[in-house]
Amino acid sequence: KQEVTQIPAALSVPEGENLVLNCSFTDSAIYNLQWFRQDPGKGLTSLLLIQSSQREQTSGRLNASLDKSSGRSTLYIAASQPGDSATYLCAVDFSGGYQKVTFGTGTKLQVIP
Amino acid sequence: ETGVTQSPTHLIKTRGQQVTLRCSSQSGHNTVSWYQQALGQGPQFIFQYYREEENGRGNFPPRFSGLQFPNYSSELNVNALELDDSALYLCASSGTGQPSSYNSPLHFGNGTRLTVT
Repeated sequence: KQEVTQIPAALSVPEGENLVLNCSFTDSAIYNLQWFRQDPGKGLTSLLLIQSSQREQTSGRLNASLDKSSGRSTLYIAASQPGDSATYLCAVDFSGGYQKVTFGTGTKLQVIP
Repeated sequence: ETGVTQSPTHLIKTRGQQVTLRCSSQSGHNTVSWYQQALGQGPQFIFQYYREEENGRGNFPPRFSGLQFPNYSSELNVNALELDDSALYLCASSGTGQPSSYNSPLHFGNGTRLTVT
C-alpha cells in the first residue's frame, strides 16, 4: 500500500529558528512530490514541487529535498517567522503524473514570537 | 488569472439527505480533482475529471458522484449522507494538456465545510 507519513504531528519553535519538516513514503516509484501549506479552515497553497528526477527545489526561505531511494523528503524553513505558523502537508504522486496524489497527515507548525 | 473557487463555503445537512458542491477550475485548467479532508487528517482523493469524463477514483462508495461541464467546472454529489461524511471538501485543478504528463502544482480552492447532523 502506498502511504505517506509525516513526523512530528506538531512542532513549536521560537521565531528566527531554522527548522526541518520530514516526509516519508513507502514506494520509491514516485512521479513528483509536493509540499503544501494549509491555514486553519482554508484550502491548500502549493509551496514547492519536486519532480522525480530532481534532488531539491528552493523558493525564498524554503528548500525541499527528495531522496527517492530512502523514501524521504524534507522541507527546510530558514529564519522562521510567526507568519509561517500553519499545517504543512506533503503529497506524493504515485499515479504516474495523473496527479491523484496521496497526502500525509501534516505537521502543525507554531512559530512563537 | 482566476483561481479555483468553490461554493458554498459552509453547509449543514441531515443524515440521509443529498448534497451538491460546486467548483470552478483555474482559468485554462482542464482537469479537476476532488478530495475529502476529515478533521486532523490529510486530504483523501475522491475522483478526478478530465474533459467531462471520470478519470480515476479513490476508495469512495458510489454514492459519491461527480460531473464536469464543458467549461471544466465541476460538481461533487453525495447521496444518502452519513455522519462520517462531515469534512472539508477540496477541489483542485491542474493541467492544460493531457493527464499523465503533469508536473505542475495542484491548485486548490478554499473548500466547502460540510457538517452532517
